[in-house]
Amino acid sequence: AQSVTQLGSHVSVSEGALVLLRCNYSSSVPPYLFWYVQYPNQGLQLLLKYTSAATLVKGINGFEAEFKKSETSFHLTKPSAHMSDAAEYFCAVSHTGGKLIFGQGTELSVKP
Amino acid sequence: GAVVSQHPSRVICKSGTSVKIECRSLDFQATTMFWYRQFPKQSLMLMATSNEGSKATYEQGVEKDKFLINHASLTLSTLTVTSAHPEDSSFYICSARASGEDTIYFGEGSWLTVV
Repeated sequence: AQSVTQLGSHVSVSEGALVLLRCNYSSSVPPYLFWYVQYPNQGLQLLLKYTSAATLVKGINGFEAEFKKSETSFHLTKPSAHMSDAAEYFCAVSHTGGKLIFGQGTELSVKP
Repeated sequence: GAVVSQHPSRVICKSGTSVKIECRSLDFQATTMFWYRQFPKQSLMLMATSNEGSKATYEQGVEKDKFLINHASLTLSTLTVTSAHPEDSSFYICSARASGEDTIYFGEGSWLTVV
């Protein structure tokens, strides 16, 4: 069975500071991994995805994530936070077929 | 990029009535669509996998007779909440996978309030 654990339900950073959102996965087969962002009362927007190509994945809005098989991690980072980055972030794992299993979500707050 | 549209975005219905939510892939064909439910401040829980031309596959604990899913074409899946109760009030989100691709696209979500 596949699962995802996001460490920290809420992360707060100052504007301009590094953003680090943690995600660990469990999968018996090579996984596909995704990070999505959700703004209040909206659907999900794909930030980036890992599908067994390069382990360092660059996404939209300056975000990137690194797949580390030895640590079963897929942490999301951004060098410098903007106020507009405040949102809910979800890590998700999928094997094949498109069925996504989501983590609990991490709410990112950005302080001026 | 690929777009998935949900309609309605918000709906209020009375207890005991049924309500239908549509999920459309606007510029691609989706043999498979997925329906999720999200409670406030919580994660998305997969309800069912909708397969074009066949029966939906429901996750454990989801009542298939209550949450009817129909995927009649390659661009449309519908979720009908039958005999709605206030506890069915939630944010329902669909997603779709384009045939031959590994990217999943999400709709904007539909707020259901049962009064």
